[in-house]
Amino acid sequence: GAGVSQSPSNKVTEKGKDVELRCDPISGHTALYWYRQSLGQGLEFLIYFQGNSAPDKSGLPSDRFSAERTGGSVSTLTIQRTQQEDSAVYLCASSLDPEPGNTIYFGEGSWLTVV
Amino acid sequence: KQEVTQIPAALSVPEGENLVLNCSFTDSAIYNLQWFRQDPGKGLTSLLLIQSSQREQTSGRLNASLDKSSGRSTLYIAASQPGDSATYLCAVGGTYKYIFGTGTRLKVLA
Repeated sequence: GAGVSQSPSNKVTEKGKDVELRCDPISGHTALYWYRQSLGQGLEFLIYFQGNSAPDKSGLPSDRFSAERTGGSVSTLTIQRTQQEDSAVYLCASSLDPEPGNTIYFGEGSWLTVV
Repeated sequence: KQEVTQIPAALSVPEGENLVLNCSFTDSAIYNLQWFRQDPGKGLTSLLLIQSSQREQTSGRLNASLDKSSGRSTLYIAASQPGDSATYLCAVGGTYKYIFGTGTRLKVLA
């Protein structure tokens, strides 16, 4: 696609429910990243994919968070048993490859509110 | 552990002023540094990318400099306009991931 596409753009869910956030990167981009931005905070790295594998999952805050990427393209971030502190904007980004020096392109984000 | 700091956290200036946003980082072993713009409710837009071997990059009214040895970067905005109002984030690039600062919220008054 022309840009990084994320869905849903907004999600309100009840505490304890599971949510899935989807990211469709720019066509041909092998590297994909998930970041989280809480209100008034900077971006927090969650996970990085190179192709379908995730060499770095170090940023996932707890075992309630998981992510997968299939076909080297679309990625899904799943949050199980959501908590109020999970409320944030979840941003996905992609780059042509993970070589240093490549610009990363961000989607518009998925705004998650846990009530 | 890399830490990125941006000062000031917020800035309000009259239209037409030249201004400087600052970014500092603790580990000079970086591959590149990017400056991003974020409008309210939107994602991030890359403004300038400086490779570690470069000292500065320019795009239109924007000029970004990088001093790796001192762990600093600046974003210079010339002749500011109300449309420049946004949050500006710097991000330091390692081998594959970026560490972000918390941003400078800029408001340019008409």
